[in-house]
Amino acid sequence: EAGVTQFPSHSVIEKGQTVTLRCDPISGHDNLYWYRRVMGKEIKFLLHFVKESKQDESGMPNNRFLAERTGGTYSTLKVQPAELEDSGVYFCASSQAGVGEQYFGPGTRLTVT
Amino acid sequence: AQSVTQLDSQVPVFEEAPVELRCNYSSSVSVYLFWYVQYPNQGLQLLLKYLSGSTLVESINGFEAEFNKSQTSFHLRKPSVHISDTAEYFCAVRVYNFNKFYFGSGTKLNVKP
Repeated sequence: EAGVTQFPSHSVIEKGQTVTLRCDPISGHDNLYWYRRVMGKEIKFLLHFVKESKQDESGMPNNRFLAERTGGTYSTLKVQPAELEDSGVYFCASSQAGVGEQYFGPGTRLTVT
Repeated sequence: AQSVTQLDSQVPVFEEAPVELRCNYSSSVSVYLFWYVQYPNQGLQLLLKYLSGSTLVESINGFEAEFNKSQTSFHLRKPSVHISDTAEYFCAVRVYNFNKFYFGSGTKLNVKP
């Protein structure tokens, strides 16, 4: 069974540009999460989808970040326009049950120059 | 609010030596406790977890962690490390019946021959 996959693995963009990160959860997992790790600090929660609905988006930094999960399958996280402080590693995770084990993807390393 | 502190950002150790990675947490409510490991170029993998019952939990590769409620700690230990244990280790908590994790800033374990 395939794990959580994320694309791209690395992205380097200039300040002001737009970037879209993609996450494909484990098949059948209704719950999808985004987390971010900035500059070697702690990994922080961004938001949680249950199917296509946003269950909790309390960790989204500001309105430059837009997450979607159309059809309740894969999810995208768009940053527009990107700022220097958005650099970091963006992790996606999925789980079958709401409080079940979360399976993490390898992350997307975003560098904004 | 919940927070997790991993005091040691890096721990160098020689092969076959014992190691302890420290984790302390702060929470006003009851939490579940986790250790995740990230090997180079891979996603986060669950190493072990404490949900209830025995305060000493073990992983399949020889790590163990003990939940200490009075000291609000969940330190990770291994009596004899291998080169293959070189990775970054993250301590995390999750509040009962809630989905999101609160992570520490990670500890890089570097096992030297």
